[in-house]
Amino acid sequence: NAGVMQNPRHLVRRRGQEARLRCSPMKGHSHVYWYRQLPEEGLKFMVYLQKENIIDESGMPKERFSAEFPKEGPSILRIQQVVRGDSAAYFCASSDYGNSPLHFGNGTRLTVT
Amino acid sequence: DQQVKQNSPSLSVQEGRISILNCDYTNSMFDYFLWYKKYPAEGPTFLISISSIKDKNEDGRFTVFLNKSAKHLSLHIVPSQPGDSAVYFCAASARGNNRLAFGKGNQVVVIP
Repeated sequence: NAGVMQNPRHLVRRRGQEARLRCSPMKGHSHVYWYRQLPEEGLKFMVYLQKENIIDESGMPKERFSAEFPKEGPSILRIQQVVRGDSAAYFCASSDYGNSPLHFGNGTRLTVT
Repeated sequence: DQQVKQNSPSLSVQEGRISILNCDYTNSMFDYFLWYKKYPAEGPTFLISISSIKDKNEDGRFTVFLNKSAKHLSLHIVPSQPGDSAVYFCAASARGNNRLAFGKGNQVVVIP
């Protein structure tokens, strides 16, 4: 998992607060993916981004969730007005082209109290 | 709707023996299949993949078999080693892209 950096590793938010999750892809990778893993579940695709562009956000809830991957800096997954159901592990992954195997970060574990 | 299914959530195997993990899928559009390994508090690590044009792919101790007509694939690990103790996820995609559909995972415990 070396290379894809996610922070923070753990994030605790109260209901109604905002959560910001950051992801720096592996060096040279321009494709970023966010996945979510609910307890006892597999990972579920949320969104796919390339620099400055959202390519596919079909797996992301329409409300409260947004993602960006600016020209400079990490990719950000933002969850507004968090609810208990948002508690999960959020994994970022990157690849150097669209269909090469993904390299995952160690995830951010979000707990909503 | 679970498009990738992994039954038998956990497996215990003696060191040196074979571990066999099974995976079934429902989406006929899937044409690329992967196995990931995950240790606690870490992200998944890519293990091995197979394209739908093949029925077998081997990499060292790991072999993946694909039966397209049955929509079934399996991962064989032989010989199993204690370091193989982890959760194994089966994943699939259509057109070989990285919008992966994951199974729920299988916990493997290799007993020394």
